[in-house]
Amino acid sequence: EAQVTQNPRYLITVTGKKLTVTCSQNMNHEYMSWYRQDPGLGLRQIYYSMNVEVTDKGDVPEGYKVSRKEKRNFPLILESPSPNQTSLYFCASSLVGGRGEYEQYFGPGTRLTVT
Amino acid sequence: GQQVMQIPQYQHVQEGEDFTTYCNSSTTLSNIQWYKQRPGGHPVFLIQLVKSGEVKKQKRLTFQFGEAKKNSSLHITATQTTDVGTYFCALNDYKLSFGAGTTVTVRA
Repeated sequence: EAQVTQNPRYLITVTGKKLTVTCSQNMNHEYMSWYRQDPGLGLRQIYYSMNVEVTDKGDVPEGYKVSRKEKRNFPLILESPSPNQTSLYFCASSLVGGRGEYEQYFGPGTRLTVT
Repeated sequence: GQQVMQIPQYQHVQEGEDFTTYCNSSTTLSNIQWYKQRPGGHPVFLIQLVKSGEVKKQKRLTFQFGEAKKNSSLHITATQTTDVGTYFCALNDYKLSFGAGTTVTVRA
């Protein structure tokens, strides 16, 4: 089954404790991306990657890191989480073509709480 | 990046009625995508519009791209309880820019 998986699905942590949220897709998609969703703000892009070893900032990259060492994986790293990073996080992937011609497939989401 | 504004933020609809949600931009859009997110779920792609004046239908859903490619609309006819959720428009220029969404509730 074609899918995007994220782990963990739920995480409660404390300020400053480094964490990683994993994302994996089995569709051989070149493009992967991370979003955060907050009430009233919709989905905001954190980082995206057009292919292996190619990453770029989205609209809200501060406090986050990513890496793309393999095509299927795109982990999101919070080196020193803070309470304002409490949010619902989605990973997404798609094929690459033209200027965003393909639909994005979203993972199930990771609900992160930082206390 | 480019921003898309979406109205209304909330839509309370009587079952069987029609409603429309709008997506507007101050600049010309290369494309517009629509996604639906059910409560507790993740966004799911509905459709993409690329051409000026384009109209696409999916059963009771009608999607339209404005002639100037600065706005788009989603019209749902005969609303059903299965239409509950949040509908997002998004400019997919890889730096994907989502509108804030229209959250739809349905009164049976």
